[in-house]
Amino acid sequence: GQQVMQIPQYQHVQEGEDFTTYCNSSTTLSNIQWYKQRPGGHPVFLIQLVKSGEVKKQKRLTFQFGEAKKNSSLHITATQTTDVGTYFCAGPRGSQGNLIFGKGTKLSVKP
Amino acid sequence: GAGVSQSPRYKVAKRGQDVALRCDPISGHVSLFWYQQALGQGPEFLTYFQNEAQLDKSGLPSDRFFAERPEGSVSTLKIQRTQQEDSAVYLCASSPRDWELTDTQYFGPGTRLTVL
Repeated sequence: GQQVMQIPQYQHVQEGEDFTTYCNSSTTLSNIQWYKQRPGGHPVFLIQLVKSGEVKKQKRLTFQFGEAKKNSSLHITATQTTDVGTYFCAGPRGSQGNLIFGKGTKLSVKP
Repeated sequence: GAGVSQSPRYKVAKRGQDVALRCDPISGHVSLFWYQQALGQGPEFLTYFQNEAQLDKSGLPSDRFFAERPEGSVSTLKIQRTQQEDSAVYLCASSPRDWELTDTQYFGPGTRLTVL
């Protein structure tokens, strides 16, 4: 069946270092969404990418959607302790509405 | 309300008990989703409503799981004869309109269910 995979599963960085998480889908996606879940919290929508090769930035966060629309990445420049949490990518299941989530990348930042 | 709310936030059940989890979506939101999130995993789809109609229940793991949204607003997820493997956080999400693939979902805080 359709799968969405994320690597790495965990990432520990020193504050100020950069961080990247990668997302790969077994099928072509119409769009990909990124969510952040703080410890003990719920997923919060960050961004959606729709176009092949699309790049979007939110302050220190840069999101990319691959040319084949099967992979995506999230890059954080100069991490801060407020970036701590688990970052999930998610894509639509086929032509249906529900989202398939990756297992997430858990980011910890050492001050 | 300001966001999606869920109750209770925490539920401890003895194996074999029935539980009911409630979701209040953002007012006026048409689409409502239930997800199950096991520890250390991403949310996994359970079921989807468009107003009061349950359009997709393909993710429900067994016939012990039942969801309803009778008036197209509040939804209840019921689990009968709970098992230990049902222990997870149950997330509800809503979306403003009839679901389109490019829509985003707004998640509630979840109900953490522990089955002893």
